[in-house]
Amino acid sequence: QLVESGGGLVKPGGSLRLSCAASGFSFSSYSMNWVRQAPGKGLEWVASISSYSLDYVYYGESVKGRFTISRDNAKNSLYLQMNSLRAEDTAVYYCARVFCSSISCGFDYWGQGTLVTVSS
Amino acid sequence: DIQMTQSPSSLSASVGDRVSITCRASQSISNNLNWYQQKPGKAPKLLIYDASSLQSGVPPRFSGSGSGTDFSLSISNLQPEDFATYYCQQSYNNLWTFGQGTKVEIK
Repeated sequence: QLVESGGGLVKPGGSLRLSCAASGFSFSSYSMNWVRQAPGKGLEWVASISSYSLDYVYYGESVKGRFTISRDNAKNSLYLQMNSLRAEDTAVYYCARVFCSSISCGFDYWGQGTLVTVSS
Repeated sequence: DIQMTQSPSSLSASVGDRVSITCRASQSISNNLNWYQQKPGKAPKLLIYDASSLQSGVPPRFSGSGSGTDFSLSISNLQPEDFATYYCQQSYNNLWTFGQGTKVEIK
């Protein structure tokens, strides 16, 4: 199970930290992602982090330099620090677990999402 | 970045119909292609991975095909619970990208 928290209303230029609490699986064994969905729009991948943070961290172009993904395997938690927020960052933010076959990977478990609204 | 283009953006169909959705990648992605289903207010659900492998628990009326740049998702014998929005996603590199979505509506 994945449960996101930390969403809310923030002013443009402000910051917010999202959390995703994992349970029911070996969190430290899986790479994780954040995906967002603006109201009435499609899915946009935001950021990825490997099972052990030292391996890799990747960001989508629209958030690079403003958002930071991190994890604490001891706490079974994933985080997204969001700075310099803009109106266009308004979205439901989902955390998602990476599942890999022998060929490629996908996102097999998703949280229920947390809404971030950036508005003055 | 690899761009993913889905068509159509929406379609209307009846229960029992067979429908197909296509997804085109801006460059070859081998068979690194996933399909998701999303219902209103819910998180997406993984249906197909590796372009044609059915995720555990997904009914066999869902099928995927394709390789390289052109892919498709087919749903046979459309059921009421299949009316939803479907997204493709490339997993060729670590810069994941989704298609813009295809909404399947009841005719």
